[in-house]
Amino acid sequence: GAGVSQTPSNKVTEKGKYVELRCDPISGHTALYWYRQSLGQGPEFLIYFQGTGAADDSGLPNDRFFAVRPEGSVSTLKIQRTERGDSAVYLCASSEVWGPRDTQYFGPGTRLTVL
Amino acid sequence: DAKTTQPNSMESNEEEPVHLPCNHSTISGTDYIHWYRQLPSQGPEYVIHGLTSNVNNRMASLAIAEDRKSSTLILHRATLRDAAVYYCILREPGGGGSEKLVFGKGTKLTVNP
Repeated sequence: GAGVSQTPSNKVTEKGKYVELRCDPISGHTALYWYRQSLGQGPEFLIYFQGTGAADDSGLPNDRFFAVRPEGSVSTLKIQRTERGDSAVYLCASSEVWGPRDTQYFGPGTRLTVL
Repeated sequence: DAKTTQPNSMESNEEEPVHLPCNHSTISGTDYIHWYRQLPSQGPEYVIHGLTSNVNNRMASLAIAEDRKSSTLILHRATLRDAAVYYCILREPGGGGSEKLVFGKGTKLTVNP
């Protein structure tokens, strides 16, 4: 079946611009996660949705970052006033249930470059 | 979140077994041990998980020490496709942020032909 998809695969923007990154989870998965991965590092948690609501947004670095999941399926990560330090690969994952035994399925990521 | 310690890198030859160690000396009695791997230019993928007993699946085996302070991911016959960064992750039960995965730097496995 179809896996997690993310669009665009690459995004180049200029400092100060606004960007949106999209995630299509596996159909029927209620949990959705966003992570960010800098070069040479492991992925870093940003936010987690259970259904439509953000259950844990403790990883969002500041108020320039915001994510929505209005219908409990597709999610959009929004970054305002981008900075060069926001350059990274943004990964989305989904899981059928949540908890310590669940399996998270990751998309290929969106590589964001802020010039 | 409980911490894990893994070697930065390991090397193996194709078709030989690989044992990837992970230390987690501060693990609690109810933490699950998960392994994910990340192939070049891809998102991480689930490999295996366990609680107390050793586990086997089509990808790998997980050997958990009796005191649970360490575990070993075993690839029985490494292939070139197994070259990846392997992450050992502890997950707490029920709420309190157990939903998120906390990645370290992992072990970069190189497989030589």
